[in-house]
Amino acid sequence: AQRVTQPEKLLSVFKGAPVELKCNYSYSGSPELFWYVQYSRQRLQLLLRHISRESIKGFTADLNKGETSFHLKKPFAQEEDSAMYYCALGTGTASKLTFGTGTRLQVTL
Amino acid sequence: GAVVSQHPSRVICKSGTSVKIECRSLDFQATTMFWYRQFPKQSLMLMATSNEGSKATYEQGVEKDKFLINHASLTLSTLTVTSAHPEDSSFYICSAIPGGSYNEQFFGPGTRLTVL
Repeated sequence: AQRVTQPEKLLSVFKGAPVELKCNYSYSGSPELFWYVQYSRQRLQLLLRHISRESIKGFTADLNKGETSFHLKKPFAQEEDSAMYYCALGTGTASKLTFGTGTRLQVTL
Repeated sequence: GAVVSQHPSRVICKSGTSVKIECRSLDFQATTMFWYRQFPKQSLMLMATSNEGSKATYEQGVEKDKFLINHASLTLSTLTVTSAHPEDSSFYICSAIPGGSYNEQFFGPGTRLTVL
């Protein structure tokens, strides 16, 4: 069965500091990885997906199949990055997502 | 962008009653919608996949007779919690996939269900 692990419930960093939100997955097939973000009082929205290999709002994530990881990184954190971040694994043709437990990122001055 | 709405946003009901939650794709057609459940401070758990014009596919451990799903049109899926009990109290979230979106799911704002 597939599984997504986000080991940190809360990550607190200072503004301008680098950020790394960890995500590891377990899946025997070919994975599709996503990062979703939920800002305060807003709905869940897609931040980025591994297949597009793009940077969104300064965030990047690289799929490392050897380490089964998809860590989210940003070199300089901003206050507006404070939110809940969920790593998700897409499996099969049905596009079903398995979510990690989420990491709350808190950026302080 | 693709917008998904849910109605109601919040509902309180008595134990034993049934509650219907609607999920609508406002500006696109969705052949596939998903229903999730989220407990406080926990992750989203997929309950079922709702397919337009066919029966929903339920995840292991989800009672299909308890959580009735109907996807009668390309823009509407409904989740009915039948004979609700306090343990059904939760946050229910739906998502939908527009055609050609390469599997990107767009999420609704969620519905908070409280069963007394």
